[in-house]
Amino acid sequence: EIVLTQSPATLSLSPGERATLSCRASQSVSSYLAWYQQKPGQAPRLLIYDASNRATGIPARFSGSGSGTDFTLTISSLEPEDFAVYYCQQRSNLFTFGPGTKVDIK
Amino acid sequence: QITLKESGPTLVKPTQTLTLTCTFSGFSLSTSGVGVGWIRQPPGKALEWLALIYWNDDKRYSPSLKSRLTITKDTSKNQVVLTMTNMDPVDTATYYCAHFSIAADGWGFDPWGQGTLVTVSS
Repeated sequence: EIVLTQSPATLSLSPGERATLSCRASQSVSSYLAWYQQKPGQAPRLLIYDASNRATGIPARFSGSGSGTDFTLTISSLEPEDFAVYYCQQRSNLFTFGPGTKVDIK
Repeated sequence: QITLKESGPTLVKPTQTLTLTCTFSGFSLSTSGVGVGWIRQPPGKALEWLALIYWNDDKRYSPSLKSRLTITKDTSKNQVVLTMTNMDPVDTATYYCAHFSIAADGWGFDPWGQGTLVTVSS
């Protein structure tokens, strides 16, 4: 089973700042990695697939990079609606989610 | 527009079997590359993938829960059913179903249903 770890667990930032979230896989997942955003009381929303491709309707301030075992989600300038929990997910071997990174307001 | 909605009991007793139904619209589960997955989330915790069924009836299960899970589909009714046996209080969670597709223009669990909270307690 492929295990995903995310860091940091919590990221405290102010609106307008840049957020950099990390996801690491226990073995290579090639580029088969996605990112999701979840706000309190809501279902997750797909942001990024194939490590770097934005899903339909996702703003350009969200970008993803990486391949193999190390991946990054970057939010270039945080908007108030971006404070949420972010999960990475792989589909290289079945499916697994990471433990999440909470981006909260500093 | 794709929508999904989960239904089932909100409370089950330990050792009982949970049966959840995902009713969807806006897509067909007979279309190549399409699937429906189940994911759960205990209160305040992370997402956990459970199972997925593809358009061709191929089924995939989480290795840690495989012995307890069964996923089936009824294409004519636009429904996917998940059963989980021998429920335990640690299975208390919000259970989500989600549309899954692998296509030239992308893949992922998108969109998701609203989720249904299942509590396991005697």
